[in-house]
Amino acid sequence: AQKVTQAQTEISVVEKEDVTLDCVYETRDTTYYLFWYKQPPSGELVFLIRRNSFDEQNEISGRYSWNFQKSTSSFNFTITASQVVDSAVYFCALSEYGNNFNKFYFGSGTKLNVKP
Amino acid sequence: DTEVTQTPKHLVMGMTNKKSLKCEQHMGHRAMYWYKQKAKKPPELMFVYSYEKLSINESVPSRFSPECPNSSLLNLHLHALQPEDSALYLCASSQGDSNQPQHFGDGTRLSIL
Repeated sequence: AQKVTQAQTEISVVEKEDVTLDCVYETRDTTYYLFWYKQPPSGELVFLIRRNSFDEQNEISGRYSWNFQKSTSSFNFTITASQVVDSAVYFCALSEYGNNFNKFYFGSGTKLNVKP
Repeated sequence: DTEVTQTPKHLVMGMTNKKSLKCEQHMGHRAMYWYKQKAKKPPELMFVYSYEKLSINESVPSRFSPECPNSSLLNLHLHALQPEDSALYLCASSQGDSNQPQHFGDGTRLSIL
């Protein structure tokens, strides 16, 4: 069963528009961790944020913000005033507690195209 | 610059060749990972090493053989690959806890002729 769903395959916006990328997850664990990564065309996955299941505070980092809602099992990512450099594929991932490593369940990714 | 270094960046090989992909990190991380990523797909986990021991093999064909010589290095030995093995191969590392982010290298783009 798919643990992380990113229903938006591809989104196109014009520069300076705000855009929200959706992520819905499923897990039976009470302790778990959620992550967002950015993958530009160069290929490297860049870590953006981690959130644990006990911390429902929303977070803002510059133009980026994240909305974690346990009630709806969602961890959405908003980019404010988007820029061309934000164009990339964005992955949401879930990790469940209990190992000496981190097994990610990735969503299928959302490709964001920001046009000038 | 990424803190996880992968070499080579590009590799073209025939189906009868033997080659190796290399990955190195100096962040003191105790877990290292190999992923395969096809175009327009998420990374697909292949292997996980934790404290230099193989912890996960996701039913990967034996033509892929991982090796972890020490805590900083991870190799992936390739032999008799098939055209469908052409993909981006990503290495990652993390501290030895399930709540820690993985740090990825730039990947090796592999093409099988």
